Amino acid sequence: ETGVTQTPRHLVMGMTNKKSLKCEQHLGHNAMYWYKQSAKKPLELMFVYNFKEQTENNSVPSRFSPECPNSSHLFLHLHTLQPEDSALYLCASSQEGPGGRITEAFFGQGTRLTVV
Amino acid sequence: GQNIDQPTEMTATEGAIVQINCTYQTSGFNGLFWYQQHAGEAPTFLSYNVLDGLEEKGRFSSFLSRSKGYSYLLLKELQMKDSASYLCAVSDSNYQLIWGAGTKLIIKP
Repeated sequence: ETGVTQTPRHLVMGMTNKKSLKCEQHLGHNAMYWYKQSAKKPLELMFVYNFKEQTENNSVPSRFSPECPNSSHLFLHLHTLQPEDSALYLCASSQEGPGGRITEAFFGQGTRLTVV
Repeated sequence: GQNIDQPTEMTATEGAIVQINCTYQTSGFNGLFWYQQHAGEAPTFLSYNVLDGLEEKGRFSSFLSRSKGYSYLLLKELQMKDSASYLCAVSDSNYQLIWGAGTKLIIKP
């Protein structure tokens, strides 16, 4: 148990479906992240939220839409995905201090997404 | 561009010692992290180095040389449960984490 909970653990969706991934952190952190993890590739940072404000969007296609209603919850809304979007989607949180310095990130167990 | 290199896969024997290397080229440096990730599970934090030298934490140690852009994770007295992927990540000048692709460590009896 890392203090970061993701649901669902597994998701299979068609290319025309709309689904959402949910992440909740119980660590009191002020920064939350969405990462994409594909086999044998580095973790790809998708979105960063700091104090509920999106501070990073690494050229992610608009079919991925994040939402951060408060500092403990993060969603990733999925719409008209492609088969190449199949991957493990990881949520993480950390504490950002003065000047942007961050502590170690704590990760959820991820959602294994398969797009068919 | 920014780049983190680590071996794709390594194999070691139970009870032995293994060293996993990580080299990096980043715009700025604000520390290097090592994470462990078992198959199907979340990455978990192992160590953080920001100054040169060796940090020891039980059976695991991590070394950093900033001038060489180099780090290693040393695992001693290997156990079967150490079979996992080990991820190296560098915090750059903007405190963004740049990740390596991970090293899959296979432990054999």
